[in-house]
Amino acid sequence: QSVLTQPPSVSEAPRQRVTISCSGSSSNLGNNAVNWYQQLPGKAPKLLIYYDHLLPSGVSDRFSGSKSGTSASLAISGLQSEDEADYYCAAWDDSLYGVVFGGGTKLTVL
Amino acid sequence: EVELVESGGGLVKPGGSLTLSCAASGFTFSDAWMSWVRQAPGKGLEWVGRIKSKTDGGTTDYAAPVKGRFTISRDDSKNTLFLQMNSLKTEDTAVYYCTTDKGYGSIYFASWGQGTLVTVSS
Repeated sequence: QSVLTQPPSVSEAPRQRVTISCSGSSSNLGNNAVNWYQQLPGKAPKLLIYYDHLLPSGVSDRFSGSKSGTSASLAISGLQSEDEADYYCAAWDDSLYGVVFGGGTKLTVL
Repeated sequence: EVELVESGGGLVKPGGSLTLSCAASGFTFSDAWMSWVRQAPGKGLEWVGRIKSKTDGGTTDYAAPVKGRFTISRDDSKNTLFLQMNSLKTEDTAVYYCTTDKGYGSIYFASWGQGTLVTVSS
C-alpha cells in the first residue's frame, strides 16, 4: 500500500493525450512539491518533472505536470510508442520524514 | 556528465550482511546529498535513505523498514557512497539504485545509477 495513490494502468492511442493522477495528503503533496519519474522497460528510472511542473533539460515538452492541494497530475500529449513506461510520482512526507512514492502507473500506447 | 555506478549486489542468506558501493563521477561529490532507492522484483520504487553532504552535517535519514539495520556512509576522498545492510530479510530483495538528491524541502532524484540486484534467500 503506497502512501501516494496512482492508477495501476492507463492506455491511450498514439498522438492522443493522457493524464496520470497522483493523490496524497496534507503531510506530503499538500505541503511539498511533487516529482515524477519515468521508468522505461528494463531501465533505471529517470527524472521527468520536478517541483510540480518543471522539466529537466532534455525532457520533451510533451510532458507537463500540475498540482492542486493534495492531488497532482502528469499529462503526456502527442503520445508515442516510446512513451510506454512506468510512471511514478514522489514527494517528501513531513510526518514520515522521508520520500514517499506512488505505486506507479503503467502506460500502454495502443 | 553525471555517472553513478553501483556494485556489490549478490545472493545473501536471511540474517546476513552485504555492503553496496556507488562510484560517482561528473560532479562535485563532496557537495552532493545522496540517496538509495530500491525496487523489489515487479514492484514499485521505495526510498531507502539518504546522507547529506559533510558541509550540511553529513547526517543520515532512513525509511522505517530499514532503520536500525541499514547504514549509509560516504568517502568523499574516493567519490563513493556506501550502503551497509545487516540483518537482511527476504523482503529486502530488490534492485538498489543510488541517486543524487537535489532541491530543498521536497528533494528530487536528479540522476540514477543502473542499479545492483540484491537477493536475500536461503
